[in-house]
Amino acid sequence: AQKVTQAQTEISVVEKEDVTLDCVYETRDTTYYLFWYKQPPSGELVFLIRRNSFDEQNEISGRYSWNFQKSTSSFNFTITASQVVDSAVYFCALSEAGGATNKLIFGTGTLLAVQP
Amino acid sequence: ETGVTQTPRHLVMGMTNKKSLKCEQHLGHNAMYWYKQSAKKPLELMFVYNFKEQTENNSVPSRFSPECPNSSHLFLHLHTLQPEDSALYLCASSTRLAGVVDTQYFGPGTRLTVL
Repeated sequence: AQKVTQAQTEISVVEKEDVTLDCVYETRDTTYYLFWYKQPPSGELVFLIRRNSFDEQNEISGRYSWNFQKSTSSFNFTITASQVVDSAVYFCALSEAGGATNKLIFGTGTLLAVQP
Repeated sequence: ETGVTQTPRHLVMGMTNKKSLKCEQHLGHNAMYWYKQSAKKPLELMFVYNFKEQTENNSVPSRFSPECPNSSHLFLHLHTLQPEDSALYLCASSTRLAGVVDTQYFGPGTRLTVL
């Protein structure tokens, strides 16, 4: 069965601190995709990154970076030099390829509060 | 309009009312989705449509009735809802090719309150 665990319910940091959001997933498939979404207070889920199971290269996009480790089934997200605008709920999600539908399984989210 | 839009953004309804949520995508996608987001719970997939055909109904009560007249529009018709149906309802769209998992893009959601 598929499952995504985000053990950190809430994280509070002060601006300019680095913060890492953890994501651990479970799947029996060898081909799958992992995602991170950001949900600001406005409610819309904003897509951040999509990574397939065959690409373990870490990715950096500006202040954001992602560490994909198949050995530990983790896909962690780091924000460097956090800013108040980073305050949001962040969701990690998993989807298996080959299914009849493009079904996303979400974690419960991590609420990040960045204090000025 | 760009991306995925949803109307209304906020809705308050009584348990005996009938209302509809509307979603429109301007991304040229062929798959559309309804999700429910309740407090303290993970996002729950409700329905999936591929090329206007429903391909998933995740055991959703019949008081929620989806409609997909074309690949750009998706509706969720609501009737005789319960207070526990109060939640944020999110619409998403993506391309859908066999064996490929494409990114889902979400709308801003409709915040529904059932009194």
